[in-house]
Amino acid sequence: DQQVKQNSPSLSVQEGRISILNCDYTNSMFDYFLWYKKYPAEGPTFLISISSIKDKNEDGRFTVFLNKSAKHLSLHIVPSQPGDSAVYFCAATGNAGKSTFGDGTTLTVKP
Amino acid sequence: ETGVTQTPRHLVMGMTNKKSLKCEQHLGHNAMYWYKQSAKKPLELMFVYNFKEQTENNSVPSRFSPECPNSSHLFLHLHTLQPEDSALYLCASSQEPYQPQHFGDGTRLSIL
Repeated sequence: DQQVKQNSPSLSVQEGRISILNCDYTNSMFDYFLWYKKYPAEGPTFLISISSIKDKNEDGRFTVFLNKSAKHLSLHIVPSQPGDSAVYFCAATGNAGKSTFGDGTTLTVKP
Repeated sequence: ETGVTQTPRHLVMGMTNKKSLKCEQHLGHNAMYWYKQSAKKPLELMFVYNFKEQTENNSVPSRFSPECPNSSHLFLHLHTLQPEDSALYLCASSQEPYQPQHFGDGTRLSIL
């Protein structure tokens, strides 16, 4: 059973608009959540994280929201830029730092 | 430059071959990881090493044998692999297990 799910395989937005990527998890023991970004032929790159004691963390154009009761987190990118086009993975961490990843969402930002 | 270097980038091997994947990190991190990414599947954690000690083996078949001689180097020794083992193998490191991970660019492995 997949413990971390990204139900939207792809998302397309216009440049300058907001991109919202979603992630759901099932294990209430997860207490640290991360978003990674991946370009083709490269490894994932860390983007932003949030601890379970917070409900929001912001870094420039990127904001992650955590709703523990719903076991849901989201990544907001505003304004979206063409260079943001990539695959975005959410990851949930618990149990001595073991990370579980979602399937990824491919974001396309159109000029 | 990622700080985490994986070699080779591509590897084709037969089912009876023995080969090794290498990972090196120049970030001074203490934790290192092996992940497998198969087509249309999420990244699967295989092994975790912290201060050279294996702390996680995620039910990986014994035909995959990790080795961590020091905190900067991680190997994955491969022998008698199966066609379903064809995948992208990613190495990562972090300062500590709970910290964000830095990934290499992966080794694309094909089993004939």
